[in-house]
Amino acid sequence: ELKVEQNPLFLSMQEGKNYTIYCNYSTTSDRLYWYRQDPGKSLESLFVLLSNGAVKQEGRLMASLDTKARLSTLHITAAVHDLSATYFCAVDRWWDSNYQLIWGAGTKLIIKP
Amino acid sequence: NAGVTQTPKFQVLKTGQSMTLQCAQDMNHEYMSWYRQDPGMGLRLIHYSVGAGITDQGEVPNGYNVSRSTTEDFPLRLLSAAPSQTSVYFCASSYLFLGDGSYNEQFFGPGTRLTVL
Repeated sequence: ELKVEQNPLFLSMQEGKNYTIYCNYSTTSDRLYWYRQDPGKSLESLFVLLSNGAVKQEGRLMASLDTKARLSTLHITAAVHDLSATYFCAVDRWWDSNYQLIWGAGTKLIIKP
Repeated sequence: NAGVTQTPKFQVLKTGQSMTLQCAQDMNHEYMSWYRQDPGMGLRLIHYSVGAGITDQGEVPNGYNVSRSTTEDFPLRLLSAAPSQTSVYFCASSYLFLGDGSYNEQFFGPGTRLTVL
């Protein structure tokens, strides 16, 4: 069974600090997705990582993928309050002619001014 | 493009009532799915479709039906609402690509907040 585990599930941090969210998955996949959800809002796509060693950056967020370790990280640099949100990772699951995205439980990030 | 649209935005039902949540996309995506999200929780897949005329069950299908008669529309029917179905419902869609360099980024609708009394 394909599982996606995120840690931590909850993170409270001060502005200006750096931190990393981890996303482990249990089977081979070379596509990993990061999404952001603001409180009371829908999900929006942040990054799509397509291969081993892929790195994507936008502003203070940087995501990377290590397919051999089955691990993706989302690194936050010099956090600001506007980055407070819940972050989800997800991986593709294909079988026969079927498809699903398998989701992590989400990491709720609170950044205090 | 409107993207993924959902109606209604809010709904209150009484136990036993039925209703249909509407979802439509204008991106010609093959794949559509319904999730529910309970407070402080992640996403749970209810039903999904890999193309018009094809639907399948996800993780929590009981109490829900879907149909996919067109590529654009994927309605979710609650057959007999129960308080346990109080949740936020998200519809999402994506292409279905398989191959090097391809990916299936899902686009989400704004959600329907459902309360069952």
